[in-house]
Amino acid sequence: QVTLKESGPGILQPSQTLSLTCTFSGFSLSTYGMGVGWIRQPSGKGLEWLANIWWDDDKYYNPSLKNRLTISKDTSNNQAFLKITNVDTADTATYYCARIRGPHDYWGQGVMVTVSS
Amino acid sequence: DIQLTQSPSSMSASLGDRVSLTCQSSQGIGNYLSWYQHKPGKPPKPMIYYATNLADGVPSRFSGSRSGSDYSLTISSLESEDTAIYYCLQYDEYPWTFGGGTKLELK
Repeated sequence: QVTLKESGPGILQPSQTLSLTCTFSGFSLSTYGMGVGWIRQPSGKGLEWLANIWWDDDKYYNPSLKNRLTISKDTSNNQAFLKITNVDTADTATYYCARIRGPHDYWGQGVMVTVSS
Repeated sequence: DIQLTQSPSSMSASLGDRVSLTCQSSQGIGNYLSWYQHKPGKPPKPMIYYATNLADGVPSRFSGSRSGSDYSLTISSLESEDTAIYYCLQYDEYPWTFGGGTKLELK
């Protein structure tokens, strides 16, 4: 059974760094062709793809976030991570992680992150 | 970046209606397009992958098709549980991009 769960700080202040963790089970990120991606949805807006990391440690980012993103993984502990530096109120959103086999096929429940002073 | 334009942005239909939602790509993406159903408070649910393939557990009243750069998600007979926002995603080329969504409501 594939499950994913996101965790994060809940609330943080502008200019801080947002650190998110995706803890998953039921698959391994060392398996050929496997990936984990991060997607977010600001309240009342659409979905935005953020980043992917693959079994071979290939990484891809949304260039609209201008080098603020860093994705990484800990294969032995079945976790993936996303850091967003220098956050502002526009980064307030629900953040999802999802397994990728082709497109995203299993999603976590999401974690709400609020950026506020 | 590849732009996906979804139409209509919102629509209402009656129970039992045949409903078609469209996603138009600004560039060729082959069949690397998926559809997701999103309900409030829930994560997006995969519905269709590779343009025409039904995801696991999705009812057979849903189908996906492609005509050139136009992709469609069709519900053959609308049920109340189908009300949601539907998004398309292209995964042919980075950056992956989502369409703006179609909000489907009951009339």
